[in-house]
Amino acid sequence: DTEVTQTPKHLVMGMTNKKSLKCEQHMGHRAMYWYKQKAKKPPELMFVYSYEKLSINESVPSRFSPECPNSSLLNLHLHALQPEDSALYLCASSQDRGVSIEKLFFGSGTQLSVL
Amino acid sequence: AQSVTQPDIHITVSEGASLELRCNYSYGATPYLFWYVQSPGQGLQLLLKYFSGDTLVQGIKGFEAEFKRSQSSFNLRKPSVHWSDAAEYFCAVGARGYGGATNKLIFGTGTLLAVQP
Repeated sequence: DTEVTQTPKHLVMGMTNKKSLKCEQHMGHRAMYWYKQKAKKPPELMFVYSYEKLSINESVPSRFSPECPNSSLLNLHLHALQPEDSALYLCASSQDRGVSIEKLFFGSGTQLSVL
Repeated sequence: AQSVTQPDIHITVSEGASLELRCNYSYGATPYLFWYVQSPGQGLQLLLKYFSGDTLVQGIKGFEAEFKRSQSSFNLRKPSVHWSDAAEYFCAVGARGYGGATNKLIFGTGTLLAVQP
């Protein structure tokens, strides 16, 4: 299994809603990532987890809250988002070693619309 | 700071024609360089990567890229484009995150490839 599975594929939420994005991999990878991609822009790193511990937070607003309950799962909890947070949210995973981005596996993303 | 420049926002080629997508990087040491492809609404797929060694790198789907340190470039090439190659192509450079591990990817702005029949 060389897949990173993201659910849901599409999500529409209001600014007062609380929702969660889910990412799952069964490749034994110990590094997992959240990227945000606005329309017609490159992906931008949000968070990196290494061995279930948060190792990088790229100054992401607190309305985005990541969670890594185990080595296979990565969640992104969303609360009080703004319309400008509408984007494709991509999850990725990799082996965690010195150059852990040697081979990143990306999921197909969750397309989020905030109304 | 590391950065990646893709000077061509949009390129159109005819099916069967050759392709070259340009990428320039800024990095103090030997960079880790990547090309990814993304179809609409999809995640990214790694085409190829360069870490060290042979400067001509072969990837999947018939793509290759050449690392030229003197020009700070890592251009992607394909000798004969197929209609299914139409997608967005991102060049990326690896950067060190916290703790010293190279676990950040910095992407260029992408080149959208259209293929004419």
